[in-house]
Amino acid sequence: DQQVKQNSPSLSVQEGRISILNCDYTNSMFDYFLWYKKYPAEGPTFLISISSIKDKNEDGRFTVFLNKSAKHLSLHIVPSQPGDSAVYFCAASALDMRFGAGTRLTVKP
Amino acid sequence: DAGITQSPRHKVTETGTPVTLRCHQTENHRYMYWYRQDPGHGLRLIHYSYGVKDTDKGEVSDGYSVSRSKTEDFLLTLESATSSQTSVYFCAISEYRGVGFTEAFFGQGTRLTVV
Repeated sequence: DQQVKQNSPSLSVQEGRISILNCDYTNSMFDYFLWYKKYPAEGPTFLISISSIKDKNEDGRFTVFLNKSAKHLSLHIVPSQPGDSAVYFCAASALDMRFGAGTRLTVKP
Repeated sequence: DAGITQSPRHKVTETGTPVTLRCHQTENHRYMYWYRQDPGHGLRLIHYSYGVKDTDKGEVSDGYSVSRSKTEDFLLTLESATSSQTSVYFCAISEYRGVGFTEAFFGQGTRLTVV
């Protein structure tokens, strides 16, 4: 059973606009949520996280929102840049860490 | 960069042979994970460890075993490799700080091809 779901395999946005990546989870025991960015032939790298006791965390151009009642989180990137083009994974942790299938973001100049 | 090294980085093996992948860390983190990455599935947890000799199964553990005899090393063994185990394997490490896990740091990955 996939406990973390990213239903959009791909997203394309124009440079300077907002990118919104979405993630849903099913396990209410998850208490920490993370976003990772991955380039080809490299391991994922940590981007931003949020604890279940918060509903928003911001770091520069990146903001993560958590809606616990809906079991939904999202990553906002503003403004989007071509260098943001990568695969983004949502992850959730309790005793272990589970990942979604990823969303490939393409930012067009 | 976190000190985490996977070996080998690439391997081609024949169906039915045993294969062991190694993950080595220098961060003294308690938690270590093995994931596989496949198109359309993202990263799926195979096994994880929460201490020396303490391991547990993940989402896709069938056909895999792990061992952790030292804090720094976490071994993943494919007991009898099959073509369905052709994948990219990632090791990750993290720590628990009381209010939750730290972000996981990943190795560079091992590309395994079973022919």
